[in-house]
Parts: sequence; C-alpha cells; structure tokens
Amino acid sequence: DAKTTQPTSMDCAEGRAANLPCNHSTISGNEYVYWYRQIHSQGPQYIIHGLKNNETNEMASLIITEDRKSSTLILPHATLRDTAVYYCIVRVRDNYGQNFVFGPGTRLSVLP
Amino acid sequence: EAGVAQSPRYKIIEKRQSVAFWCNPISGHATLYWYQQILGQGPKLLIQFQNNGVVDDSQLPKDRFSAERLKGVDSTLKIQPAKLEDSAVYLCASSLISIGQGLVKNIQYFGAGTRLSVL
Repeated sequence: DAKTTQPTSMDCAEGRAANLPCNHSTISGNEYVYWYRQIHSQGPQYIIHGLKNNETNEMASLIITEDRKSSTLILPHATLRDTAVYYCIVRVRDNYGQNFVFGPGTRLSVLP
Repeated sequence: EAGVAQSPRYKIIEKRQSVAFWCNPISGHATLYWYQQILGQGPKLLIQFQNNGVVDDSQLPKDRFSAERLKGVDSTLKIQPAKLEDSAVYLCASSLISIGQGLVKNIQYFGAGTRLSVL
C-alpha cells in the first residue's frame, strides 16, 4: 500500500501557481520524499526530491513541513503541458528492500 | 544522456500467446525495475534487479511472468501464456542508488513503456 495520501484531482488556471499537497505522516526520519509526474502515454518523469529543507529546481519547488508529515509541490507558472498525474512517493521498507509504491496520484488539469 | 529505452512501444496479442519486452537502462545504472501499470492506477513493481541479480520479485506472477538481466545491462520481461488481465503498460526504470550519512537516495528514471493489449 502507498504510504502517501494525495487529492484525486485538481484544476489550475494557466499561468497560475499549482500547489499539489501530499500527506506522508508515517515517513521515517531518513527517507526522502520524491515527486514524479506522468503525462498521458509516457512513463513517469522525475521532478524533484527532498528530505527536510525546501528544494527548488528548474521544474518545481518542494516545500516540506517541519515535522515532515506533509509536503507541497509547487509549479510556479503552470502551463497546459503540465497537465498530468502527479505522484508523491515515499519508499516502502519491506523484507526485500526499499522500493517505491505508487498510489493513484493527483490528476492536475491546467485550464486555458 | 540517453534515457531508458524500451521496445516495442505497442503490442497486441491473443490470450495464451507469449510476449517479450526489452529494456536498455541508462548507462551505469546498476538497478533496474519492471513495473506494470493498469489503466487508471499507479505503476506496480514487478521485479527489481541489482546488476544481474534479483533483489525483489515478490509481486511477479511467476507462473507466467519471467525476467532476466543476464549481463547486468539489458533486461527482458516475458509473459507466457498471456491472460486478458495482463493488458497494461509495462514500464522499465533504472537508477543509481547513492548511500551516504545514513540516507539512501534512489531516483528512478523511467522509459516510455510498452502498451500490451491481450485480446
């Protein structure tokens, strides 16, 4: 089972900031939070990851709360091409190792 | 840097037939993954390789699915015989896991996938 909770869907107006929340209340202290997105008919694309500090790259910003139980991915100026399913992932530790478990993600629709 | 390559992009077969998918990971990536993504769901891990050894195949239906990574580079995933419920996108991913200061960083890079339709 995924260890994260995300809203099923969100809309955002083109040119506005898209803020995608994620709850990961059971995250352990030494685990990163990873964000991916999947545009229709493509494989998931890595966006950003973070541990405890806020992170920014050319694609997005990641804000992680101080208790690390939740995070927000920010697309500062959403475009139509940002329409995709966004996945927030925390690795799951099991008997075999530590792997990604994808939930259903958030379907972001950027509207003109 | 070249990404993860997969082929074919699309495959249509009839149930009980066999099918194979191929993956070439990013150069230097020791870890390779195969995922199954059913329409409307997130990807589900089928098998993970570290070099040419299997790390996790707990969710691989071993009665019909098999995978190999003989030389620690390319990998193939096979289904024999296929069932209707195997219709899905099969994704390959690779990563270079880095470990330091008690932290494990594992950024996976995905291919475009193979869309399988079983009729």
